[in-house]
Amino acid sequence: AQTVTQSQPEMSVQEAETVTLSCTYDTSESDYYLFWYKQPPSRQMILVIRQEAYKQQNATENRFSVNFQKAAKSFSLKISDSQLGDAAMYFCAYRAGTYKYIFGTGTRLKVLA
Amino acid sequence: GAVVSQHPSWVICKSGTSVKIECRSLDFQATTMFWYRQFPKQSLMLMATSNEGSKATYEQGVEKDKFLINHASLTLSTLTVTSAHPEDSSFYICSARIPSGSNEQFFGPGTRLTVL
Repeated sequence: AQTVTQSQPEMSVQEAETVTLSCTYDTSESDYYLFWYKQPPSRQMILVIRQEAYKQQNATENRFSVNFQKAAKSFSLKISDSQLGDAAMYFCAYRAGTYKYIFGTGTRLKVLA
Repeated sequence: GAVVSQHPSWVICKSGTSVKIECRSLDFQATTMFWYRQFPKQSLMLMATSNEGSKATYEQGVEKDKFLINHASLTLSTLTVTSAHPEDSSFYICSARIPSGSNEQFFGPGTRLTVL
């Protein structure tokens, strides 16, 4: 069975600094997608970034980038130039052919002014 | 991006009553929708997959007779919590899948259910 593990329940970062959130997963599939979602206090799930497993190039979206290590089954999120608005819960998620999402337990990110 | 709405955004009900939550895809047709449950400070747990025109597929441990799902059209799925009890109090989130391209899913804003 597929699993997603986020080992950091909480992280803090100083405003304008860089922080990396960790995620590992386990699967026997070769074709899948990985995601990072942000959940602010409003509870609305917001897609931050997506990575297709067949793509070797790491995805980037403005200040957000990932380090995708397929062999190690690792998918970390780097947030550069952290802003106060980045404070939220961040969930790593996996999706394969059934389209079902499997979410990690989440990392609460605090941004310090 | 595509928009998914949920109604109501929050509901309070008495123990033993039934509550219906609607999930709508506003600007696309969704053959598949998903229902999640999120307890405070926890992750999203998939409850069931809702397929238009057919029976929902429930995850292990989810009581299908308690959580009734109907996907009567390509833009609407409903979740009915029957005979609700305080332990059913939770945040319920739906998502809808675009059936083409990346098959990306879009999440609704969630419904907070409180059972007294």
